[in-house]
Amino acid sequence: SQQGEEDPQALSIQEGENATMNCSYKTSINNLQWYRQNSGRGLVHLILIRSNEREKHSGRLRVTLDTSKKSSSLLITASRAADTASYFCARPPSGSARQLTFGSGTQLTVLP
Amino acid sequence: DGGITQSPKYLFRKEGQNVTLSCEQNLNHDAMYWYRQDPGQGLRLIYYSQIVNDFQKGDIAEGYSVSREKKESFPLTVTSAQKNPTAFYLCASSIGGLDNNEQFFGPGTRLTVL
Repeated sequence: SQQGEEDPQALSIQEGENATMNCSYKTSINNLQWYRQNSGRGLVHLILIRSNEREKHSGRLRVTLDTSKKSSSLLITASRAADTASYFCARPPSGSARQLTFGSGTQLTVLP
Repeated sequence: DGGITQSPKYLFRKEGQNVTLSCEQNLNHDAMYWYRQDPGQGLRLIYYSQIVNDFQKGDIAEGYSVSREKKESFPLTVTSAQKNPTAFYLCASSIGGLDNNEQFFGPGTRLTVL
């Protein structure tokens, strides 16, 4: 079952603005990952944050993790039209580190 | 050029037919996965394999079958028992370690049942 849920389900912003997406989960984790999916394509791994990390950066991406609130956020700064995609969080389900459970995703639209 | 490939990109099937979707990787990954994605939804795990000649059911295995005879290949058969097979199917692979479970995805196969 899907135990990672993103919000908002859809987000529309202007180019240059920042986009923030949130992910909540229910059980303890040892890592959480964010993926991006362009329409009709496979997913691409963006970033992995471990349970002992609070924040991680990769280019214009910033991910935070709050294990006490069981939530994570993905911030895309200075967004571009090319950032338009669906963004998913994923985490190993309880009891198995080898699988990933994906959330339902946030559809981000960046308007030029 | 390392990666994971899926074929075909589009597949049409008549009701009652079995079809097999191909997934190949040259990343030397031990683990491989099949997911189903419906419009506007996230991914649901169908089957996964941690090692050659072994595979496990995921959350929605009914109506599907897999094999893992080679490390590089993990074909998925959608059988006539799958009641609503029209969907986007994604294959993925990973190194398979406990601390390194980043998954690499293929481009997907869109299956339509006519």
